Amino acid sequence: QLQLQESGPGLVKPSETLSLTCTVSGGSISSSSYYWGWIRQPPGKGLEWIGSIYYSGSTYYNPSLKSRVTISVDTSKNQFSLKLSSVTAADTAVYYCAPVVVGGFDPWGQGTLVTVSS
Amino acid sequence: EIVLTQSPDFQSVTPKEKVTITCRASQSIGSSLHWYQQKPDQSPKLLIKYASQSISGVPSRFSGSGSGTDFTLTINSLEAEDAAAYYCHQSSSLPLTFGGGTKVEIK
Repeated sequence: QLQLQESGPGLVKPSETLSLTCTVSGGSISSSSYYWGWIRQPPGKGLEWIGSIYYSGSTYYNPSLKSRVTISVDTSKNQFSLKLSSVTAADTAVYYCAPVVVGGFDPWGQGTLVTVSS
Repeated sequence: EIVLTQSPDFQSVTPKEKVTITCRASQSIGSSLHWYQQKPDQSPKLLIKYASQSISGVPSRFSGSGSGTDFTLTINSLEAEDAAAYYCHQSSSLPLTFGGGTKVEIK
Protein backbone atom coordinates (compact mmCIF):
# COMPACT_ATOMS: atom_id res chain seq x y z
CA GLN A 1 0.00 0.00 0.00
CA LEU A 2 1.39 3.36 -1.01
CA GLN A 3 2.45 5.80 1.68
CA LEU A 4 3.75 9.30 1.08
CA GLN A 5 5.61 11.72 3.34
CA GLU A 6 6.34 15.36 2.63
CA SER A 7 9.47 17.00 4.00
CA GLY A 8 11.16 20.37 3.78
CA PRO A 9 11.59 23.72 5.54
CA GLY A 10 8.58 25.03 7.39
CA LEU A 11 9.62 28.65 6.98
CA VAL A 12 10.71 30.38 3.79
CA LYS A 13 11.57 34.04 3.30
CA PRO A 14 9.71 36.16 0.76
CA SER A 15 11.26 36.10 -2.75
CA GLU A 16 13.11 32.86 -1.99
CA THR A 17 12.43 29.37 -3.34
CA LEU A 18 10.26 26.85 -1.52
CA SER A 19 11.62 23.31 -1.85
CA LEU A 20 9.75 20.19 -0.73
CA THR A 21 10.30 16.48 -1.20
CA CYS A 22 7.78 13.66 -1.19
CA THR A 23 9.12 10.25 -0.25
CA VAL A 24 7.14 7.29 -1.56
CA SER A 25 7.02 3.89 0.10
CA GLY A 26 5.05 0.77 -0.74
CA GLY A 27 5.49 1.23 -4.46
CA SER A 28 7.89 2.39 -7.16
CA ILE A 29 7.86 5.98 -8.31
CA SER A 30 8.84 4.68 -11.75
CA SER A 31 5.70 2.61 -12.08
CA SER A 32 3.47 3.35 -15.05
CA SER A 33 0.52 2.67 -12.77
CA TYR A 34 0.70 6.05 -11.10
CA TYR A 35 1.25 9.68 -11.65
CA TRP A 36 2.24 12.00 -8.86
CA GLY A 37 0.89 15.33 -7.77
CA TRP A 38 1.33 18.30 -5.48
CA ILE A 39 -1.69 20.07 -3.99
CA ARG A 40 -1.78 22.93 -1.51
CA GLN A 41 -4.27 24.38 0.95
CA PRO A 42 -3.90 27.88 2.45
CA PRO A 43 -4.95 28.02 6.12
CA GLY A 44 -8.73 27.84 6.40
CA LYS A 45 -9.20 27.67 2.63
CA GLY A 46 -9.76 25.13 -0.13
CA LEU A 47 -7.53 22.90 -2.23
CA GLU A 48 -5.43 24.00 -5.21
CA TRP A 49 -3.66 21.67 -7.62
CA ILE A 50 -0.07 22.77 -8.20
CA GLY A 51 1.11 20.24 -10.74
CA SER A 52 1.75 16.61 -11.62
CA ILE A 53 4.52 14.46 -13.01
CA TYR A 54 4.15 11.21 -14.91
CA TYR A 55 6.39 8.16 -14.83
CA SER A 56 7.65 9.24 -18.25
CA GLY A 57 8.88 12.49 -16.75
CA SER A 58 6.21 14.61 -18.38
CA THR A 59 5.07 17.46 -16.18
CA TYR A 60 1.86 19.48 -16.07
CA TYR A 61 1.47 22.64 -14.04
CA ASN A 62 -1.35 24.88 -12.95
CA PRO A 63 -1.18 27.90 -15.29
CA SER A 64 -1.59 30.18 -12.27
CA LEU A 65 1.76 28.95 -10.93
CA LYS A 66 3.48 27.65 -14.04
CA SER A 67 6.13 30.34 -14.29
CA ARG A 68 7.34 29.59 -10.77
CA VAL A 69 6.94 25.80 -10.41
CA THR A 70 9.23 22.88 -11.12
CA ILE A 71 8.37 19.27 -10.28
CA SER A 72 10.98 16.56 -10.70
CA VAL A 73 11.55 12.91 -9.86
CA ASP A 74 14.52 11.15 -8.26
CA THR A 75 14.02 7.49 -9.03
CA SER A 76 17.12 6.43 -7.07
CA LYS A 77 15.53 7.75 -3.87
CA ASN A 78 11.89 6.97 -4.80
CA GLN A 79 11.08 10.64 -4.31
CA PHE A 80 9.59 13.51 -6.23
CA SER A 81 10.11 17.17 -5.47
CA LEU A 82 8.49 20.58 -5.73
CA LYS A 83 10.23 23.90 -6.19
CA LEU A 84 8.26 27.14 -6.10
CA SER A 85 10.26 30.28 -6.72
CA SER A 86 9.74 33.92 -5.76
CA VAL A 87 7.37 33.06 -2.94
CA THR A 88 5.13 35.58 -1.19
CA ALA A 89 2.83 35.39 1.81
CA ALA A 90 0.11 34.12 -0.56
CA ASP A 91 2.11 30.90 -0.91
CA THR A 92 1.71 30.12 2.79
CA ALA A 93 -0.16 26.81 2.85
CA VAL A 94 -0.17 23.17 3.80
CA TYR A 95 1.46 21.33 0.90
CA TYR A 96 0.38 17.78 0.13
CA CYS A 97 1.72 15.14 -2.20
CA ALA A 98 -0.44 12.34 -3.54
CA PRO A 99 -0.56 9.79 -6.34
CA VAL A 100 -3.31 9.11 -8.81
CA VAL A 101 -3.79 5.40 -9.50
CA VAL A 102 -7.21 5.28 -11.09
CA GLY A 103 -9.44 8.23 -10.39
CA GLY A 104 -8.67 10.80 -7.76
CA PHE A 105 -5.67 11.48 -5.55
CA ASP A 106 -5.24 8.59 -3.12
CA PRO A 107 -3.71 8.36 -0.58
CA TRP A 108 -2.51 11.80 0.49
CA GLY A 109 0.59 12.51 2.53
CA GLN A 110 0.09 14.03 5.95
CA GLY A 111 0.93 17.47 4.56
CA THR A 112 3.52 20.00 5.61
CA LEU A 113 2.85 23.61 6.55
CA VAL A 114 5.08 26.12 4.81
CA THR A 115 4.97 29.68 6.08
CA VAL A 116 6.38 32.51 4.00
CA SER A 117 7.64 35.22 6.31
CA SER A 118 10.74 37.27 6.92
CA GLU B 1 -10.36 26.08 -16.68
CA ILE B 2 -13.30 24.05 -15.39
CA VAL B 3 -14.88 25.68 -12.36
CA LEU B 4 -16.58 23.44 -9.80
CA THR B 5 -19.27 25.08 -7.69
CA GLN B 6 -20.34 23.27 -4.55
CA SER B 7 -23.47 23.88 -2.52
CA PRO B 8 -24.18 24.45 0.22
CA ASP B 9 -21.05 25.98 1.71
CA PHE B 10 -22.10 24.86 5.18
CA GLN B 11 -24.64 22.44 6.56
CA SER B 12 -25.58 21.72 10.18
CA VAL B 13 -27.19 18.29 10.47
CA THR B 14 -28.46 16.02 13.23
CA PRO B 15 -27.21 12.42 13.43
CA LYS B 16 -29.10 9.90 11.27
CA GLU B 17 -30.21 12.63 8.87
CA LYS B 18 -29.49 12.37 5.17
CA VAL B 19 -27.00 14.84 3.72
CA THR B 20 -26.85 15.89 0.09
CA ILE B 21 -24.00 17.95 -1.35
CA THR B 22 -23.99 19.10 -4.94
CA CYS B 23 -21.14 19.95 -7.29
CA ARG B 24 -21.77 21.71 -10.59
CA ALA B 25 -19.13 21.89 -13.32
CA SER B 26 -18.84 24.87 -15.65
CA GLN B 27 -18.72 22.46 -18.61
CA SER B 28 -19.32 18.78 -19.16
CA ILE B 29 -16.75 16.49 -17.52
CA GLY B 30 -18.39 13.15 -18.16
CA SER B 31 -17.90 11.09 -15.01
CA SER B 32 -14.43 12.42 -14.15
CA LEU B 33 -15.55 13.75 -10.79
CA HIS B 34 -14.22 12.58 -7.42
CA TRP B 35 -15.20 13.33 -3.82
CA TYR B 36 -12.99 13.78 -0.77
CA GLN B 37 -13.58 14.05 2.96
CA GLN B 38 -11.26 16.17 5.09
CA LYS B 39 -11.63 15.99 8.85
CA PRO B 40 -10.11 18.75 11.00
CA ASP B 41 -6.31 18.69 10.98
CA GLN B 42 -6.22 15.69 8.66
CA SER B 43 -5.36 15.13 5.02
CA PRO B 44 -8.16 14.71 2.49
CA LYS B 45 -9.38 11.17 1.94
CA LEU B 46 -10.86 9.85 -1.29
CA LEU B 47 -14.50 8.84 -0.79
CA ILE B 48 -15.90 8.32 -4.28
CA LYS B 49 -14.19 8.14 -7.66
CA TYR B 50 -15.61 8.66 -11.13
CA ALA B 51 -18.85 10.13 -9.81
CA SER B 52 -20.31 6.94 -8.35
CA GLN B 53 -17.61 4.31 -7.85
CA SER B 54 -17.10 3.24 -4.26
CA ILE B 55 -13.72 3.11 -2.57
CA SER B 56 -12.62 0.14 -0.51
CA GLY B 57 -12.92 0.83 3.20
CA VAL B 58 -15.33 3.76 2.83
CA PRO B 59 -18.64 3.19 4.68
CA SER B 60 -21.56 2.31 2.44
CA ARG B 61 -23.57 5.29 3.67
CA PHE B 62 -21.47 7.43 1.28
CA SER B 63 -22.63 7.39 -2.34
CA GLY B 64 -22.23 9.53 -5.43
CA SER B 65 -24.23 10.14 -8.54
CA GLY B 66 -24.35 12.33 -11.62
CA SER B 67 -22.61 12.91 -14.92
CA GLY B 68 -21.95 15.75 -17.30
CA THR B 69 -22.18 18.91 -15.20
CA ASP B 70 -24.23 17.97 -12.14
CA PHE B 71 -23.06 15.68 -9.38
CA THR B 72 -24.23 14.72 -5.91
CA LEU B 73 -22.59 13.26 -2.84
CA THR B 74 -25.08 11.65 -0.46
CA ILE B 75 -24.45 10.62 3.12
CA ASN B 76 -27.23 8.35 4.34
CA SER B 77 -27.83 8.33 8.08
CA LEU B 78 -25.13 10.78 9.12
CA GLU B 79 -22.88 9.75 11.98
CA ALA B 80 -20.97 12.01 14.36
CA GLU B 81 -17.66 10.94 12.78
CA ASP B 82 -18.79 12.41 9.45
CA ALA B 83 -18.22 15.97 10.65
CA ALA B 84 -15.79 17.24 8.02
CA ALA B 85 -15.28 19.31 4.91
CA TYR B 86 -16.18 17.66 1.63
CA TYR B 87 -14.60 18.57 -1.72
CA CYS B 88 -15.30 17.60 -5.29
CA HIS B 89 -12.49 17.40 -7.84
CA GLN B 90 -12.44 17.02 -11.62
CA SER B 91 -9.83 15.14 -13.61
CA SER B 92 -11.43 15.63 -17.03
CA SER B 93 -9.06 18.34 -18.17
CA LEU B 94 -6.10 20.39 -17.08
CA PRO B 95 -5.75 22.31 -14.91
CA LEU B 96 -7.17 19.91 -12.35
CA THR B 97 -9.59 21.79 -10.14
CA PHE B 98 -11.43 21.39 -6.86
CA GLY B 99 -14.73 22.70 -5.61
CA GLY B 100 -14.73 25.26 -2.83
CA GLY B 101 -15.80 22.73 -0.22
CA THR B 102 -18.82 22.03 1.96
CA LYS B 103 -18.46 21.96 5.72
CA VAL B 104 -20.78 19.53 7.51
CA GLU B 105 -21.35 20.16 11.19
CA ILE B 106 -23.11 17.84 13.58
CA LYS B 107 -25.88 19.48 15.63
